[in-house]
Amino acid sequence: GAGVSQSPSNKVTEKGKDVELRCDPISGHTALYWYRQSLGQGLEFLIYFQGNSAPDKSGLPSDRFSAERTGGSVSTLTIQRTQQEDSAVYLCASSLYLAEGYEQYFGPGTRLTVT
Amino acid sequence: GIQVEQSPPDLILQEGANSTLRCNFSDSVNNLQWFHQNPWGQLINLFYIPSGTKQNGRLSATTVATERYSLLYISSSQTTDSGVYFCAGYMNTGFQKLVFGTGTRLLVSP
Repeated sequence: GAGVSQSPSNKVTEKGKDVELRCDPISGHTALYWYRQSLGQGLEFLIYFQGNSAPDKSGLPSDRFSAERTGGSVSTLTIQRTQQEDSAVYLCASSLYLAEGYEQYFGPGTRLTVT
Repeated sequence: GIQVEQSPPDLILQEGANSTLRCNFSDSVNNLQWFHQNPWGQLINLFYIPSGTKQNGRLSATTVATERYSLLYISSSQTTDSGVYFCAGYMNTGFQKLVFGTGTRLLVSP
C-alpha cells in the first residue's frame, strides 16, 4: 500500500519568508510525527499528534514553528520568518497506536534550504 | 546523559564481509527500532525489536532489554548496504517520540 508522502520534496526560500510543509500519513495510522535532520546529524523530534488528543509540541525549537493536523489525517508544518539555521531535512512519520508498542514509518522528507 | 548510543560511528567493509553494529540505550528508552538511511535520505525500516531476535534475509537483530543493548548483524554485505544505520527507541516518560542515536555510517566497497 501507499506509504507516507511529503511535499514538496525540495524547498528553497529566502530568509524571513514563511514556508509550509505537508505530510500525508499512511491510511489508518492515528499517530503522526514530525522530525528534523540537520546535515550529517541524527533525527530531532519536533511534534507528535495522536487522534484527537492535544499534540505534544515539546520538540518545537521556537514559536516560529507550528503544526496542525486536519481531520486526523494530513498535517502541515509551518515555519514563519525562516532563518538559515532552519535549513534541514524535515521528516514526517506515522504509526498505529497500540498499547504494546508501535512501529513508525517515515516519508521521504522535505529538504529545506534557507538562503 | 546519552540516551541512545551507537558504535562504531564509521565502518568500511569489503563486499561479502560480515559486520555487527551496536546500540546501547539508557533505562529511560525502550521499544527499539533499526533503520537504514540510504544515500537518497530515505529511512527504511529494518526491525522493530523491543526484545529477542529477528531475522530478515541477510540482516538480523537482537535486543537484550535487561542489559540495555541491541545488535544489528549484516552478513555477506553488498554495496547497496551502504548508508547510515540508526537505532531509535521510545522514551518511557509517556511522550510518544523516538530518540535516535547518532548513527553508524557504513561504506561497502566492491
